Amino acid sequence: QKEVEQDPGPLSVPEGAIVSLNCTYSNSAFQYFMWYRQYSRKGPELLMYTYSSGNKEDGRFTAQVDKSSKYISLFIRDSQPSDSATYLCAMSADRGATNKLIFGTGTLLAVQP
Amino acid sequence: DTGVSQNPRHKITKRGQNVTFRCDPISEHNRLYWYRQTLGQGPEFLTYFQNEAQLEKSRLLSDRFSAERPKGSFSTLEIQRTEQGDSAMYLCASSLSGLGETQYFGPGTRLLVL
Repeated sequence: QKEVEQDPGPLSVPEGAIVSLNCTYSNSAFQYFMWYRQYSRKGPELLMYTYSSGNKEDGRFTAQVDKSSKYISLFIRDSQPSDSATYLCAMSADRGATNKLIFGTGTLLAVQP
Repeated sequence: DTGVSQNPRHKITKRGQNVTFRCDPISEHNRLYWYRQTLGQGPEFLTYFQNEAQLEKSRLLSDRFSAERPKGSFSTLEIQRTEQGDSAMYLCASSLSGLGETQYFGPGTRLLVL
């Protein structure tokens, strides 16, 4: 079993829809949670960063972390065709030592105009 | 551009050849990471430097792989005697240690071993 599970999709939605992307994880030591966006043949771009449980909002993006359920989500409001990309969740444990990120497989999102 | 840069962006090589990739991190970042990403998968951790010291290596990093970060600035990743299974995107990320540390990725080097 992988430490981080993510539905690979693809997920296709019409422009303007609310998108929900999710990851589950098994390692209770994870404390730092991130969402990256990756366009085809490009490097991952940091979208959201959350420490421990709770919500964080940035423009059209909202990240939620529920450590009790080992479940994280990313919501995209008013989705745009330019949001079409692969969304990767990532997490890490101890910042005092190596901060290596453990990634999900990524969810491919297509927003249809 | 003050982001992470990687060179070359693409590399095609024949099985058995050696290849070397370079990563230039964001200038004030003291931590540097290498990851490998294959098609349909998320990036997987390979190795990590704090300044010039290589502090952790994944078991994915066989003895054919070596990484350096002389003087704590740019880093190189060398693969000796390449195999077809080494074909992947090699990603470099850098960060500044401390509260709120986040990793910023470069564009990657796409390697194809024929």
